[in-house]
Amino acid sequence: DTAVSQTPKYLVTQMGNDKSIKCEQNLGHDTMYWYKQDSKKFLKIMFSYNNKELIINETVPNRFSPKSPDKAHLNLHINSLELGDSAVYFCASSPGTGAPDTQYFGPGTRLTVL
Amino acid sequence: DAKTTQPPSMDCAEGRAANLPCNHSTISGNEYVYWYRQIHSQGPQYIIHGLKNNETNEMASLIITEDRKSSTLILPHATLRDTAVYYCIVRGFGNEKLTFGTGTRLTIIP
Repeated sequence: DTAVSQTPKYLVTQMGNDKSIKCEQNLGHDTMYWYKQDSKKFLKIMFSYNNKELIINETVPNRFSPKSPDKAHLNLHINSLELGDSAVYFCASSPGTGAPDTQYFGPGTRLTVL
Repeated sequence: DAKTTQPPSMDCAEGRAANLPCNHSTISGNEYVYWYRQIHSQGPQYIIHGLKNNETNEMASLIITEDRKSSTLILPHATLRDTAVYYCIVRGFGNEKLTFGTGTRLTIIP
């Protein structure tokens, strides 16, 4: 019973391609996030959605476009992939109660751009 | 959100208590202290959080000083599976994002 799942686990692709990473949570949470962990292991938030509405959009190239078809899913589409996009991408979710609440992370998607 | 300072690495013998310190001298009154850990590139895992009082759950204890400028995460009986990077994060009320620092790499030694 995986709480936050991501697919695929690994993604290897060529520069210039377009790819998507999918995230699903079965916790009934209202808020979902995307984080990026680069090669130096720094973990930074990219986006956050609450009930399908974008609430956090950090300084991320507009080649990255999150899509939330419903509150249980938050997908990340990346256009024109670049070498620097190689990283591990983590999805997370939280109840979204408005108070600082606990975020639950998925297992990550390791993206390698060649 | 207030910044935090943690030692880059620590060792602890298996079976002993691991005490991980965190300084957050600029914390404000409505900011919580959160602890997460990341085991070998897995997704970060929530451990515990607190505001003013000490907290304990099945994983750990969190001791926050009276002036709230520092805290200590205690793993009471460390096992090899506790080897991970531990992140101390200060997060304000209504702030949805977690700002991760460099954390403390804790190694449990057999």
